[in-house]
Amino acid sequence: DAGVTQSPTHLIKTRGQQVTLRCSPKSGHDTVSWYQQALGQGPQFIFQYYEEEERQRGNFPDRFSGHQFPNYSSELNVNALLLGDSALYLCASSRRRARDSNQPQHFGDGTRLSIL
Amino acid sequence: QKEVEQNSGPLSVPEGAIASLNCTYSDRGSQSFFWYRQYSGKSPELIMSIYSNGDKEDGRFTAQLNKASQYVSLLIRDSQPSDSATYLCAVTPWNTDKLIFGTGTRLQVFP
Repeated sequence: DAGVTQSPTHLIKTRGQQVTLRCSPKSGHDTVSWYQQALGQGPQFIFQYYEEEERQRGNFPDRFSGHQFPNYSSELNVNALLLGDSALYLCASSRRRARDSNQPQHFGDGTRLSIL
Repeated sequence: QKEVEQNSGPLSVPEGAIASLNCTYSDRGSQSFFWYRQYSGKSPELIMSIYSNGDKEDGRFTAQLNKASQYVSLLIRDSQPSDSATYLCAVTPWNTDKLIFGTGTRLQVFP
């Protein structure tokens, strides 16, 4: 049973470029969330996708956008990259939350993005 | 006030001891609470979830939740050097699915 898979594992870009990161959720999961983790910090919520729509969004600018496909996989796109976008980008998947509780989110190995 | 607060540590305990990790949160309506373990350079790994007041045990791990005090803790019994990692507390605010993380507590278990 494959867990959450992310690609690529590492990426180096320069300021102003655009990047696309990919995520395949764990089998049986239909919800994908993206997080950014800077060095020494906890992950910060970017947004969540369910039924191919963005359902919730954290405090990130419009340069961050995403997409979910019919097979539940997802992409994170970041435009006009800044030095401060250097971080570990984590994808987490879960099943849509049941009443009165939230299903645990399981993380992929992440994509380490470095901006030069 | 941060939404989820943890002592950054490091918390150093000898092998075989009990490690106690603490977390407080600000949103009184929070409904789900999680502990993740993160080894250096790796992604967070879910180790415990807790949804109601009281204790929940799973092997060497016990999660404790006190919603009145807005406090959640993780106890690790018989600590092993392989438990050395950063432990992240995560909370889902009321009526959302997103996780709000603390900055993590670094645990060091020495032989």
